[in-house]
Amino acid sequence: GQQVMQIPQYQHVQEGEDFTTYCNSSTTLSNIQWYKQRPGGHPVFLIQLVKSGEVKKQKRLTFQFGEAKKNSSLHITATQTTDVGTYFCAGHNDYKLSFGAGTTVTVRA
Amino acid sequence: AAGVIQSPRHLIKEKRETATLKCYPIPRHDTVYWYQQGPGQDPQFLISFYEKMQSDKGSIPDRFSAQQFSDYHSELNMSSLELGDSALYFCASSGGGQGETQYFGPGTRLLVL
Repeated sequence: GQQVMQIPQYQHVQEGEDFTTYCNSSTTLSNIQWYKQRPGGHPVFLIQLVKSGEVKKQKRLTFQFGEAKKNSSLHITATQTTDVGTYFCAGHNDYKLSFGAGTTVTVRA
Repeated sequence: AAGVIQSPRHLIKEKRETATLKCYPIPRHDTVYWYQQGPGQDPQFLISFYEKMQSDKGSIPDRFSAQQFSDYHSELNMSSLELGDSALYFCASSGGGQGETQYFGPGTRLLVL
């Protein structure tokens, strides 16, 4: 079945630095979605990428979808304390949404 | 804007008891999904319903069942509860059939003692 791998599992970042989390699927995806879950909260939808090679930006967040539609990345620049949380990618195919294990981000001031 | 509503928010049960979790999707959303999230884990898909019919099944134990009613709300019934069932249970809804963005509810935290 479809598997979505996400790395790294943990990311400890100095405030102001950049970091990237990567997502890889074992199968070609129809789209990929990114969610953020704050500690004690529920997953909140961030963005959906549909087209091969698509790049979308949300302020300091840049999302990319690979040319083969099997991988994606989320890059955050100038990390802030508000970026703390777990970022999940979720690959969509065959009417299923498969979540990656998530990257848990902590920020040191 | 209206969000997904889940009740109860917290539930404590003992082993072998039953529990019923309820989910009220966003108005006009026709698809409901149930997920189980253990501590430090990603949400695991349990089951989904589209237009009141089961549309997909994931890692839902046989002790659990679910249904979607005519008003599109859904209930997850859990029987013979085990300690390992302690988790956060999320309901998500989407509109326009499967494949749309899923909007998650706040979750029900179940503790089995």
